[in-house]
Amino acid sequence: TQLLEQSPQFLSIQEGENLTVYCNSSSVFSSLQWYRQEPGEGPVLLVTVVTGGEVKKLKRLTFQFGDARKDSSLHITAAQPGDTGLYLCAGSYNFNKFYFGSGTKLNVKP
Amino acid sequence: KAGVTQTPRYLIKTRGQQVTLSCSPISGHRSVSWYQQTPGQGLQFLFEYFSETQRNKGNFPGRFSGRQFSNSRSEMNVSTLELGDSALYLCASSLTFLAGVNEQYFGPGTRLTVT
Repeated sequence: TQLLEQSPQFLSIQEGENLTVYCNSSSVFSSLQWYRQEPGEGPVLLVTVVTGGEVKKLKRLTFQFGDARKDSSLHITAAQPGDTGLYLCAGSYNFNKFYFGSGTKLNVKP
Repeated sequence: KAGVTQTPRYLIKTRGQQVTLSCSPISGHRSVSWYQQTPGQGLQFLFEYFSETQRNKGNFPGRFSGRQFSNSRSEMNVSTLELGDSALYLCASSLTFLAGVNEQYFGPGTRLTVT
């Protein structure tokens, strides 16, 4: 059983559409991170959120940390083919021990 | 600044053999973590080293071990390889844990295939 559940597992959309990926847990985390991973590469850190209710924006990407610090969401506005990849959330209680979600595989078609 | 480097990038081993993977963190980073990534289980934490000491450990059998050197470079070893050990092994480095902010930077991984 995964400590962090991500949904949906797969998402295939047309360029220009909006989408939201969810990351849920019954546990409270001290910080939560989102990564994007492309085939054959390691995950690349997109954002770190640490405060309940925190919202961070990275160009067309908006990240939100739940008030209770148990869940998070990633919203992409006007998706582009370059957004294609595996999106992973990861939560930490202490130091650098991270629990990763199962991932959301996003495919943006031109 | 150079990123995290892992060697080798690809490895094929036979059941029962042992393997050693190497990771060089970003210059100045003192923490190195290791993860195993498989299609079925996703990314799972193996262990973390900080200042040559294992600081955190995941739920893997004792066949998986690691160490860190004084220059922060790290190695992980898997003994008595099993088919299920086939995976992408990822190394991540970070500065240290500071007030809840602990950003990890991953290397490209070592793809291990056990036959």
